[in-house]
Amino acid sequence: DTGVSQDPRHKITKRGQNVTFRCDPISEHNRLYWYRQTLGQGPEFLTYFQNEAQLEKSRLLSDRFSAERPKGSFSTLEIQRTEQGDSAMYLCASRLSGGDTGELFFGEGSRLTVL
Amino acid sequence: KNQVEQSPQSLIILEGKNCTLQCNYTVSPFSNLRWYKQDTGRGPVSLTIMTFSENTKSNGRYTATLDADTKQSSLHITASQLSDSASYICVVSSQTGANNLFFGTGTRLTVIP
Repeated sequence: DTGVSQDPRHKITKRGQNVTFRCDPISEHNRLYWYRQTLGQGPEFLTYFQNEAQLEKSRLLSDRFSAERPKGSFSTLEIQRTEQGDSAMYLCASRLSGGDTGELFFGEGSRLTVL
Repeated sequence: KNQVEQSPQSLIILEGKNCTLQCNYTVSPFSNLRWYKQDTGRGPVSLTIMTFSENTKSNGRYTATLDADTKQSSLHITASQLSDSASYICVVSSQTGANNLFFGTGTRLTVIP
């Protein structure tokens, strides 16, 4: 399967612990996005990369959140000192840049539960 | 301000019935609009894309419409099936801006037998 893959699919952690999520985009896609989604809501933008460059970060991305995309391939999203409010589905998506009609392909998401 | 609003927030229909979901947007300058289907616990999957010049587009039992003048789109589902139960998210792209995608909060559709 050559779709967007995310790992882990589910993560349960205690408040104050650090967690890291990984996203492997579709190989030829140079744009990679991270979104957060809570129950009954649409995805909220967190950050995006074009190749290895992080081009934009949302105000939602507090200092406890950091994302990387070394070498412009896979990406990681780390949350430090997790809080109960961080519980959500974290979605990764990728697409080709250039042209406005490029479809955004989503992964299955990583669901985080902070106890 | 670029915004996307969807209605209704949730909808319950009987299997076999039709339904229509609405999306209103203020995104400018408009590039395109996509409808995504998101099954529970899964990532969204694109159903259809509408560009400025398109009024109607069908994908099986799904038909999307776009009125660029009133900035409204609808997604019509014909002869609903239990597998149509999902959230339907409207995503509007603008022509400018580094992050040019604007998401609606979705309509939660439940099809009951």
